[in-house]
Amino acid sequence: GAGVSQSPSNKVTEKGKDVELRCDPISGHTALYWYRQSLGQGLEFLIYFQGNSAPDKSGLPSDRFSAERTGGSVSTLTIQRTQQEDSAVYLCASSIGQGSTYEQYFGPGTRLTVT
Amino acid sequence: SQQGEEDPQALSIQEGENATMNCSYKTSINNLQWYRQNSGRGLVHLILIRSNEREKHSGRLRVTLDTSKKSSSLLITASRAADTASYFCATATAGNKLTFGGGTRVLVKP
Repeated sequence: GAGVSQSPSNKVTEKGKDVELRCDPISGHTALYWYRQSLGQGLEFLIYFQGNSAPDKSGLPSDRFSAERTGGSVSTLTIQRTQQEDSAVYLCASSIGQGSTYEQYFGPGTRLTVT
Repeated sequence: SQQGEEDPQALSIQEGENATMNCSYKTSINNLQWYRQNSGRGLVHLILIRSNEREKHSGRLRVTLDTSKKSSSLLITASRAADTASYFCATATAGNKLTFGGGTRVLVKP
């Protein structure tokens, strides 16, 4: 079946503009995660959605970052008033169950460049 | 500082050799997972080892876990050029998210 998809694959934006990044998880996966990866670095957790529960937003770096997940499926990560330090690859992952016991399936990522 | 830290940061070997990388962490874990990343894009899950397990195998991969030392190792045997990638350990503590280390970049030369 189809894996996790993300769009766009690349996004170049000017400093101060807002951007929206989209993630389509694997069908039937109840958990969805957003991570950020700066060049040559590990993954930084941003936010986690599980079913209808309130999302875990503990990793969002500032109030310029927000995310929503509509209908328990597609998720959108929004960055307002982008800054150059927001440049990174944004990765989405989904898993079939709740919690860190389950394998996470990653999308190809969106490479964001803020000029 | 990060929960999981890999060592070495980079590794260069010849095809056919074994590659070993280590992961150390700080707090108690439920499980530890290893992922591979090619070309800085999506990660692929390799193996999960639970806190009550000491060793696990999957194909040419062997993972060990020593909870007393809070460390894990990933061994790739008989490496191939296609194994060239970055390898990340991720620790699962109580809660719903994984904490990833900084990764080991492995180069397998043909």
